[in-house]
Formats: sequence, structure tokens, C-alpha cells
Amino acid sequence: EAGVAQSPRYKIIEKRQSVAFWCNPISGHATLYWYQQILGQGPKLLIQFQNNGVVDDSQLPKDRFSAERLKGVDSTLKIQPAKLEDSAVYLCASSFYLDEQYFGPGTRLTVT
Amino acid sequence: KQEVTQIPAALSVPEGENLVLNCSFTDSAIYNLQWFRQDPGKGLTSLLLIQSSQREQTSGRLNASLDKSSGRSTLYIAASQPGDSATYLCAVKAAGNKLTFGGGTRVLVKP
Repeated sequence: EAGVAQSPRYKIIEKRQSVAFWCNPISGHATLYWYQQILGQGPKLLIQFQNNGVVDDSQLPKDRFSAERLKGVDSTLKIQPAKLEDSAVYLCASSFYLDEQYFGPGTRLTVT
Repeated sequence: KQEVTQIPAALSVPEGENLVLNCSFTDSAIYNLQWFRQDPGKGLTSLLLIQSSQREQTSGRLNASLDKSSGRSTLYIAASQPGDSATYLCAVKAAGNKLTFGGGTRVLVKP
């Protein structure tokens, strides 16, 4: 069974630029999560989708971050404009509804 | 609000020594607790998952205990090897499948 796929794996941008990350969950997984992991910290949930609806986006900085999950499969997380403090690893995870979460390899973002 | 703490933040041991990693959480209303391993530049690999009704879980050289009433879990790794060098994260699951993570313990096993 294929795991959670993410791209790109690495991205370097300048502050005030925009960036987008893509996630393809495990086939059949209804629930998709985006986490932000700052260096030296544990992952923090940004947004949780079930199918194509948002379940929880309480920790998403909505003035600059947006996410969508069209057709309830792939998802895109966007940052516009980026700030230095957005430098982090962005992890995508998926689960069969409320079962165990499986994590992708992450996208490492560096904002200069 | 659930808070998860891992102590120590970093640990260095000689090969062959047993590792003891600690995790504490403030709200005992959890569904389960999970231990993950994270290698540099990689995602999270699940090691052990303990349901709230369980006291411990074992897999090979790994053993995790859970004391929900005191808000603690311990991960034991027996006879450590250099390949065990990684960051270990614990996470508690609450309603809505929400995971709250600790800050991790960075482990270095020296040959």
C-alpha cells in the first residue's frame, strides 16, 4: 500500500513570496491533516479535513495560510506572503476517518 | 488545553546501554498515546500505540508504559544501537482524532 505522498520535499523562498505544498493521502483515507513542525518542537496541527470539509482550522493563521481539499482526495496548503517564522517542516497525514494517522515525509520550507 | 512535555530534550548514551524516555501530559482524558520516531529530514514513523485501557505495549526491544491517572508514559529501548539515534516524539490522542505532541527527545547512541 502506498503511503502519504508530499511534494516538494524542499523549498527555499524569500520572505513575502508565496509557496504551495501538495499532499496525496493513502487511498481510501477520508481524513487529512496538515501539521507545522518548527525546528526543535513537536508537530502542531494546522488544519484537519474530513472528505472535502474542514473539521478544525483553529490554529491556521488565516491571514496568510490557506488550504483546500478538492474532491476529498489531494490537498494543497498555501502560504502568501511568507514570513521568516514560517520556516518549518510541513507534514501531511491521513487516516481512515478517526483511526491511526499515517504521516508523509514532509516538506522542509526555508524562508530567507 | 492538553500539554505534553518530554524530558530530557536530548540524551547521549554509549552503545548497549538501555534508554529511558519520558513523556507527561496534563489532561488524562485521552484515547491513546503513541510514540513516534523521526529521523533527520524525514516524516514520523509510529513505534508503539497504547490504548487508554492498556498499561503497556511491547515491540521487540521497545517497551512503552502508560499511567493515565498520573499523566505519564515511558518508552524503554533495551540494548541501544547507533541505529537508534533519532528524535523520539510522544503524542496523545483526544476527541476528534486530535493529536497533541511533545517537543521530542533527541537521542544519540555512540558506538
